[in-house]
Amino acid sequence: SQQGEEDPQALSIQEGENATMNCSYKTSINNLQWYRQNSGRGLVHLILIRSNEREKHSGRLRVTLDTSKKSSSLLITASRAADTASYFCATDEKTSYDKVIFGPGTSLSVIP
Amino acid sequence: EAQVTQNPRYLITVTGKKLTVTCSQNMNHEYMSWYRQDPGLGLRQIYYSMNVEVTDKGDVPEGYKVSRKEKRNFPLILESPSPNQTSLYFCASSWMTSGSEQFFGPGTRLTVL
Repeated sequence: SQQGEEDPQALSIQEGENATMNCSYKTSINNLQWYRQNSGRGLVHLILIRSNEREKHSGRLRVTLDTSKKSSSLLITASRAADTASYFCATDEKTSYDKVIFGPGTSLSVIP
Repeated sequence: EAQVTQNPRYLITVTGKKLTVTCSQNMNHEYMSWYRQDPGLGLRQIYYSMNVEVTDKGDVPEGYKVSRKEKRNFPLILESPSPNQTSLYFCASSWMTSGSEQFFGPGTRLTVL
């Protein structure tokens, strides 16, 4: 089953612009996490937001969570070429604390 | 250095030849997991383990086996690999099951001919 679905699938922006990626999910969750993956390498954790939180910041990252719409967004401000990567959301369903489900990801290209 | 290691990093094999991909973590994490990544499908969880001797199926367990005899190791076993198991595999670990950051290994690229 596909819990998280990122949107858009691919995004291309100029350096300095902001990038926004969205994630939608189907069932109630405990937590939602965002990960980043540089081409073919292991994923790196960016930020975790719990189901009772609405917004969280970490450096140039801002994550929002709307549990009523079952959606989350990741905003990267003042993007840099080094932000070029794929970004994935991951959720764990309320009914299954142990399973983690990733979406298909958003491929971000930041053009210098 | 805190890390998750996987071996081998690259493997080309033939249909039906049993293989094992090893995974080891040095962070004393309780939770470990295997994922496969295929184009357009993101990461799909194969198996996970909440602690020693406790494992459970993820979304795509068919054709795979795992074991967790020690806390640090979580090998992935393909008893009879088939071409549809050609994929990029990641092992990950975290402190707890839910709500904690997962640390990923570097990946194993497997090709089954």
